[in-house]
Amino acid sequence: GENVEQHPSTLSVQEGDSAVIKCTYSDSASNYFPWYKQELGKGPQLIIDIRSNVGEKKDQRIAVTLNKTAKHFSLHITETQPEDSAVYFCAASLGRRALTFGSGTRLQVQP
Amino acid sequence: EPEVTQTPSHQVTQMGQEVILRCVPISNHLYFYWYRQILGQKVEFLVSFYNNEISEKSEIFDDQFSVERPDGSNFTLKIRSTKLEDSAMYFCASSPWLEGNEQYFGPGTRLTVT
Repeated sequence: GENVEQHPSTLSVQEGDSAVIKCTYSDSASNYFPWYKQELGKGPQLIIDIRSNVGEKKDQRIAVTLNKTAKHFSLHITETQPEDSAVYFCAASLGRRALTFGSGTRLQVQP
Repeated sequence: EPEVTQTPSHQVTQMGQEVILRCVPISNHLYFYWYRQILGQKVEFLVSFYNNEISEKSEIFDDQFSVERPDGSNFTLKIRSTKLEDSAMYFCASSPWLEGNEQYFGPGTRLTVT
């Protein structure tokens, strides 16, 4: 089955800096790669996703890149703000099948 | 904005008891999922449900678990005889049909088995 590895496990940045979180996946058939933000006591919130026919997608301060050949994808957050502090999860799936999640990255943005 | 809702937010039960966790998916969604997250660990898939039947399940989803869509709005997860290791956050998610395969998660039910 699919295996998703995520790095780093924790990330501390200064407000205004950029943050990058990286994930690798094992199943070359996977074609859908979402990113979720989870705040304390809440459910995962979908923040951005990318499909395998696209190499990059951007939404305001958030961007995701995908390298299908290397089987890795990354989340980039620019101009970080304290409210970006949360746990971020990457995931991978084939179509509507089960999401396989990474282990999460705790991002702390220092004001 | 439509949201997935879950009840209760916290359930405490004794080992061996049955629990039912409830979810109301987003109204025009047709795919439904249950995931769980043991404290400090990854979110893990349990089961997916479409057209009134299970479409996929994980190894975790054994005979102790069942799912049901008893009416047009609710989606339930039943654990027949809870074990200590079932203690976790249980998340329901739903996905639309035609618009894409995004999965939207509810706030979760924290299940504590004592």
